[in-house]
This record gives sequence, structure tokens and C-alpha cells, in this order.
Amino acid sequence: KQEVTQIPAALSVPEGENLVLNCSFTDSAIYNLQWFRQDPGKGLTSLLLIQSSQREQTSGRLNASLDKSSGRSTLYIAASQPGDSATYLCAVSGDKIIFGKGTRLHILP
Amino acid sequence: GAVVSQHPSWVICKSGTSVKIECRSLDFQATTMFWYRQFPKQSLMLMATSNEGSKATYEQGVEKDKFLINHASLTLSTLTVTSAHPEDSSFYICSAIRIGLDYGYTFGSGTRLTVV
Repeated sequence: KQEVTQIPAALSVPEGENLVLNCSFTDSAIYNLQWFRQDPGKGLTSLLLIQSSQREQTSGRLNASLDKSSGRSTLYIAASQPGDSATYLCAVSGDKIIFGKGTRLHILP
Repeated sequence: GAVVSQHPSWVICKSGTSVKIECRSLDFQATTMFWYRQFPKQSLMLMATSNEGSKATYEQGVEKDKFLINHASLTLSTLTVTSAHPEDSSFYICSAIRIGLDYGYTFGSGTRLTVV
């Protein structure tokens, strides 16, 4: 059974810092991995999608990596801004999409 | 890009009444849509998988007679919460998968249901 773990559960950092969010999964047989952002009371916004054959994806200040063999992914956020404050969810797709519990990120102005 | 519209964004209803939530894929055809429930500060819990033209597949512990799902077209799935009770109050989110090069999931903006 696939399990997705995200560390840390919560993180507060000063504005301008670079940061890394971690995601691990137990079954490497995945189609892809997605990072989502969720603001309070809102739906999910897809940030980055990494196919199982890929190693990383970049979008603006965001970079996500995937190491399928070790069951790990990281989301790197450069030059953090207060607007980045949200919950970040990692999800892996196999027969179903399985979510981690998320990392609640707070960027301090 | 793929867009999924969910309506309404919030609804308040009385106990015993039914509420319908719509999920539409606006710019792509979705043969499969998914319905999730999310409790405060928790991750998403998959309720059911909705396939166009066939019966939905419900996850273990989800009452199919309470949460009626209809997927009559390639762009619309509906979730009806029947005989709602306060414990059904939650945040409901739908998603659709776009078959193609990316296989990514696109999510609706969610519906906050409050049963009073």
C-alpha cells in the first residue's frame, strides 16, 4: 500500500530565504508525482508535475526533483515571499492518487 | 491549461435536505473524475471515482446511498449529499484527469458544505 510522508509538517521562515520541502513515498511504481498548493478554504493548485521518467521540473522560483528509486521528492522554493504562505501537498499517482498530509508553510514578512 | 470548475463554492443547508455539487471540466474531456472530502487541517480523502457513463466506484467506508455520484457526460460529474446531517459538514473537492502527455490531475476550487 502506497504511503506518502511529508516533512516537516509545518515551517516558518523569514522572507527571502530559500527552503526545501520533503516528500517520501513507499512504492516506487508510480506514473508521476505532483506538488500542489492549497490556500485556506480553497481547492488545490497544481505547481509542478514530474513524470516517472523525469528527474526534475522547474517553474519560476520553484524546482521539484524526483528520485524514484529512493522514493523521494523535494520542492525547492527560492527567495521566498509572504505570498508563498500556504499548505503544500505532495501526491503520487499509481492506480490512484495518494496525498501526503502536507507542509504548512508560513513566510514571515 | 486544464481548468475544472466546481459549483457552488459554499452552501448552507438544513438537516435532512439534499445538496448537489457540480464539477465541470471546462476545456478538456474527462472520462474520469474524482470526489474528495477534506476535514480541517487534514489531507484529502478520496470518496469515489466517477467514470463517464458508468457507476461510480466508492472507497471503503463511503456510503454510496448517501453520496450519489452521476457522471452523465465527459465534462460534468455531480455529487449529491442526500439527507444531509451536521456530520456531513466538510470541504468537498473534485478533480479530473486529462489523458494525454501529462496525466496530471486538475482540481476544482472546492465546496464548503455546512449542515445546520
